[in-house]
Amino acid sequence: SQQGEEDPQALSIQEGENATMNCSYKTSINNLQWYRQNSGRGLVHLILIRSNEREKHSGRLRVTLDTSKKSSSLLITASRAADTASYFCATDPRDDKIIFGKGTRLHILP
Amino acid sequence: DAGVTQSPTHLIKTRGQQVTLRCSPKSGHDTVSWYQQALGQGPQFIFQYYEEEERQRGNFPDRFSGHQFPNYSSELNVNALLLGDSALYLCASSFSLGGSYNEQFFGPGTRLTVL
Repeated sequence: SQQGEEDPQALSIQEGENATMNCSYKTSINNLQWYRQNSGRGLVHLILIRSNEREKHSGRLRVTLDTSKKSSSLLITASRAADTASYFCATDPRDDKIIFGKGTRLHILP
Repeated sequence: DAGVTQSPTHLIKTRGQQVTLRCSPKSGHDTVSWYQQALGQGPQFIFQYYEEEERQRGNFPDRFSGHQFPNYSSELNVNALLLGDSALYLCASSFSLGGSYNEQFFGPGTRLTVL
């Protein structure tokens, strides 16, 4: 079963704009993580947010977590060409294995 | 620090054959997880090894097996290959703490093609 679902599936924005992608999940979790993947290569960890946290920042990244709505969002501010990648959320359900969503493909237009 | 390394980078096999993929974790990490990623999909969890034992397993058949060595490196073995096993196989390492998943560091992956 699909635990994490990213939305939208694909997103194209102009360089300099902000990009927002969302992740919804079904069961209670210990934490939620966001990863980036460039062109089918290995994933790069971006942020881990625990179930008792509501917001975290890392550079141009801002992640929010709403456990009541079982959703998270990833905001990338002042986007750059190098941000073009696929972004995945991964949830760590309690008493279950980690599950990745299908990802959001972000394309930054010059 | 070399990070997570995987070998080989690419592999071509035929149906029915067996394959072994290898992973060396990041220095200081004791936990290795394996994922299968089909084209256009997210990674699917295969299994996780900690202290040389399989700690968790995803919904994969017994054709998929693994091993972790005392130096924390790991192998993924797939027997009786099917066309549907063609995918990018990712290894991720982490430091086990508190039972829940922590930040995972991924290797570049092994691209397996089954003909």
